[in-house]
Order: sequence, then structure tokens, then C-alpha cells
Amino acid sequence: KNQVEQSPQSLIILEGKNCTLQCNYTVSPFSNLRWYKQDTGRGPVSLTIMTFSENTKSNGRYTATLDADTKQSSLHITASQLSDSASYICVVSFYNQGGKLIFGQGTELSVKP
Amino acid sequence: GAVVSQHPSRVICKSGTSVKIECRSLDFQATTMFWYRQFPKQSLMLMATSNEGSKATYEQGVEKDKFLINHASLTLSTLTVTSAHPEDSSFYICSAGGGTGVNSAFFGQGTRLTVV
Repeated sequence: KNQVEQSPQSLIILEGKNCTLQCNYTVSPFSNLRWYKQDTGRGPVSLTIMTFSENTKSNGRYTATLDADTKQSSLHITASQLSDSASYICVVSFYNQGGKLIFGQGTELSVKP
Repeated sequence: GAVVSQHPSRVICKSGTSVKIECRSLDFQATTMFWYRQFPKQSLMLMATSNEGSKATYEQGVEKDKFLINHASLTLSTLTVTSAHPEDSSFYICSAGGGTGVNSAFFGQGTRLTVV
């Protein structure tokens, strides 16, 4: 069964601290893995996109890793800010199926002052 | 980067009326667009795949006569919620993609539909 599972479900951290979100997937055939940030009441915004051959990709304070062998990904947030409070969604795309996506349930991150 | 614009961002309608939501790709041609529904604290659920010039493909359990999708051009897809009921109240999001490339799947801002 094609699934994307994220952990933890929710996370509370203090401003300035780092955190790491996890994503495991069983999607096949695999095309790429994306991390999105979704603020409440808004559409998801892309943070990183990684294909099979990419192990890491950074976007400012966000760094994503991908291990295609173990089918695991992580999103590391450095020096968190209050504006990082949002839902972070791991999404895996099927290969050659017109861009069809499988969504994780998301990790709800709350950054406190 | 690519931009997908969704309109309106919020709409309140009366039960029994129909509501149209637009999804536009502003700087690229989208042969495929996707429509999602999202309930509070849950992830996006794919409702249908909209292909330019052909009929939409609906996911299991989604009523095609209730959620009418039109993708008449490479830059515009519309979702019409017909005879809306309070249980149709939800957050609807579209995404546009031109294929399987890494640049596919940019999301609109979402539409909050409230049926009263």
C-alpha cells in the first residue's frame, strides 16, 4: 500500500531551537519527495523537492535529507522562529502518473517565545 | 517560481446554491490540475484530477455530479460545488502540474467554503 507517514504528529519548541521532522514512505514507483509548509487557512508552500539521486537539499534554515534505500526523509529546521509555526507536510510523487501525490498527515509545529 | 492563483479565498453561501471556485496557473501552462479537500487538522484529500480538454477523473467516493470540474484551457480549471449543503463546508485547494517533473504541483491559496 502506498503510504507516507510522518512523525511526530505535533511538536512544541522554543524560539531559537532546532528541530527535526521525520517522514517514512512506501510509495512505488517513486519520483520525488517534497516538503511543504502550510500555514493555517492557506495552501501548502513548497520548501524542498528531492529526486531519487539527491540526498540533501537546503532552503534557508530548512534542510531536507532523503535516503531512498530506507525510504526515509527528514526536515531539519535551524534556529526556529515564531513564524515557523505551521503544519509541515511530506509529499511523495508517483513516477509517470501525471504528478499524482501521496500526502503525509503532517507535523504540527508550534514555536513558542 | 510558478504561481497558482485560486479565487475566491473565502465564500459563504446558502444551502442549495452553487459555488464556483477558480484555479489559474499564472505563468505556466498546466495540462493537469488537481482538486483537494482538507478538513481541520487533517491532510489534503485528492478529490479529482482535471485534464485540459477532457473529462476529470474523480477519486472513489467523490460525486462527480456534485463537484463539477471544468478544465477548458491550459491556465484555468474550475470546481463548482452544486446544491451545496452544510457538510460541504471545507477548505478546497487546487494544484497545477505540467507532468511528472519536479516543478509540478504548485498549490493555490485555498478556498474556505462555508455553507449556511
